[in-house]
Amino acid sequence: GQNIDQPTEMTATEGAIVQINCTYQTSGFNGLFWYQQHAGEAPTFLSYNVLDGLEEKGRFSSFLSRSKGYSYLLLKELQMKDSASYLCASRDTDKLIFGTGTRLQVFP
Amino acid sequence: NAGVTQTPKFRILKIGQSMTLQCTQDMNHNYMYWYRQDPGMGLKLIYYSVGAGITDKGEVPNGYNVSRSTTEDFPLRLELAAPSQTSVYFCASGGNLGPNSYEQYFGPGTRLTVT
Repeated sequence: GQNIDQPTEMTATEGAIVQINCTYQTSGFNGLFWYQQHAGEAPTFLSYNVLDGLEEKGRFSSFLSRSKGYSYLLLKELQMKDSASYLCASRDTDKLIFGTGTRLQVFP
Repeated sequence: NAGVTQTPKFRILKIGQSMTLQCTQDMNHNYMYWYRQDPGMGLKLIYYSVGAGITDKGEVPNGYNVSRSTTEDFPLRLELAAPSQTSVYFCASGGNLGPNSYEQYFGPGTRLTVT
């Protein structure tokens, strides 16, 4: 079956580091995506992991462990504009299965 | 490039009416997708297409139909609208989901209310 779990909400302070976890169970798994979605807007692509390990992209990093069915998104030096929902999605053959998203609120 | 465009941006339907949500992409992508997003929830895949003439069901296809006669266009048809179809609908496109082309580009969404 298909199942993706991530926390519903998180809060953090400007300048801090936050880690958003995602666990998945997907048949035909072939990669893990993270998308950012600001309220009222469309999702935008952040990262893609297909191999185990850490991918770093500026202030954002994403990690994948295929054996554990686990990924996380790490956001460093948080800014107010990082307040958004973060969607974890696993690739199942030709399509993506999305989690419900983690709403991150950054406070000054 | 305009990317992925969707029309209309907003629509209110009465129960039982029908409508077509339009989606067009100008990136020559093979893959196109329709999602719905209910308030506070993630994206649910309705239908997708891996190329012109080919469509397949996603997680929540009931009450919807699609066609893919060209690479650029992927309209979503709602027949006999129901209140449960009140949602935000996103269209997305992507290149071949091979190892080097994996990103999905989303349109701005259509907010649909069925009353």
